[in-house]
Amino acid sequence: GEDVEQSLFLSVREGDSSVINCTYTDSSSTYLYWYKQEPGAGLQLLTYIFSNMDMKQDQRLTVLLNKKDKHLSLRIADTQTGDSAIYFCAERGGATNKLIFGTGTLLAVQP
Amino acid sequence: EAGVAQSPRYKIIEKRQSVAFWCNPISGHATLYWYQQILGQGPKLLIQFQNNGVVDDSQLPKDRFSAERLKGVDSTLKIQPAKLEDSAVYLCASSLAPGGQRGNTIYFGEGSWLTVV
Repeated sequence: GEDVEQSLFLSVREGDSSVINCTYTDSSSTYLYWYKQEPGAGLQLLTYIFSNMDMKQDQRLTVLLNKKDKHLSLRIADTQTGDSAIYFCAERGGATNKLIFGTGTLLAVQP
Repeated sequence: EAGVAQSPRYKIIEKRQSVAFWCNPISGHATLYWYQQILGQGPKLLIQFQNNGVVDDSQLPKDRFSAERLKGVDSTLKIQPAKLEDSAVYLCASSLAPGGQRGNTIYFGEGSWLTVV
């Protein structure tokens, strides 16, 4: 079945780079997404990558996709305290075409 | 552009009571989703509508949960009777169309927080 896994917690210092990792099982995934959820708020789409791409860069965000290993990562350059949130990886495509979310990674940015 | 609107934001009920959540999607969005997010977990799709028809309700506990989207715009999610394990955030989302169209973005509301005591 479809499964998406993430590490639960990441702590970094302000100004450092953050790397959040995600693994998925569905090799037929078409799109992979990163969402951000701040306390008490809904999910905000940060970026997405199509499965035939290896990398996508958008300002401070870099997404890397290793399709062979089914591994996705999100790098945030120059991490700020405002980046503190839960980050969800999600994949879409395959048999159901549903958006399947990971468990989320809590990013804590220390000033 | 107005986002996905949901109400109420917070609700506390006793077990075996009923509750209803309302969602107004982004104007023009044909596809509407209800997700359940239990604390510490990622959101899980409960039901997906395309206009006023159900596309996927495979993970909706139909013995207690129901949802409708009568005119293809607003939607209501109902839980009756509620159980303790229904405590979660119920997220409504919408998109222009379903499927894997290029970057077809799903926009989420802020959620309705349910606590069952």
